[in-house]
Amino acid sequence: GDSVTQMEGPVTLSEEACLTINCTYTATGYPSLFWYVQYPGEGLQLLLKATKADDKGSNKGFEATYRKETTSFHLEKGSVQVSDSAVYFCALSDRGSNDYKLSFGAGTTVTVRA
Amino acid sequence: NAGVTQTPKFRILKIGQSMTLQCTQDMNHNYMYWYRQDPGMGLKLIYYSVGAGITDKGEVPNGYNVSRSTTEDFPLRLELAAPSQTSVYFCASSQTGSVGYEQYFGPGTRLTVT
Repeated sequence: GDSVTQMEGPVTLSEEACLTINCTYTATGYPSLFWYVQYPGEGLQLLLKATKADDKGSNKGFEATYRKETTSFHLEKGSVQVSDSAVYFCALSDRGSNDYKLSFGAGTTVTVRA
Repeated sequence: NAGVTQTPKFRILKIGQSMTLQCTQDMNHNYMYWYRQDPGMGLKLIYYSVGAGITDKGEVPNGYNVSRSTTEDFPLRLELAAPSQTSVYFCASSQTGSVGYEQYFGPGTRLTVT
């Protein structure tokens, strides 16, 4: 079945540091890949997505590239801010499934200190 | 721009009590979903619906029921609450079930069963 494995946290960084959160996946079909972000006390919101191999999703300074050969979708940001403190979830939806549900990783808590 | 709304935000139940978590979306989305989020875990799908009158089980449906009488509303019913149902519950919706389409999440309901 479909599954997502992402880097365990928590991760604590200083402002302006580089952030990388690793995400790898297993899927039976041709998945689309997503990064969702959950700010404290809020629901999840889409950060970026990629729907086919070699696509790069980007938003708010974050980037992730869909790597089919390594089944990965790592999230990166070159210079983080305090406002980036949140929980980040990698997820996939698989073209091979019938219900197009999202399969989520466990989430990575990121704290950025001033 | 209400999006997906959920009520209540917080609730404490005693073992054996029942309750309904409300979810409403104003985006005319056909697909709606209920997830639960346990500490340190990703979101798990409880039930989903592809349109009014059509519902189906997700990964963890035991102890829950749903109905979908209108496009807008997708309530989740807990019968005979158990401590294992202590969790944060998120409702989500999407325009279609097509792979790659974003799911929009509500702010969540934090439920404690004691």
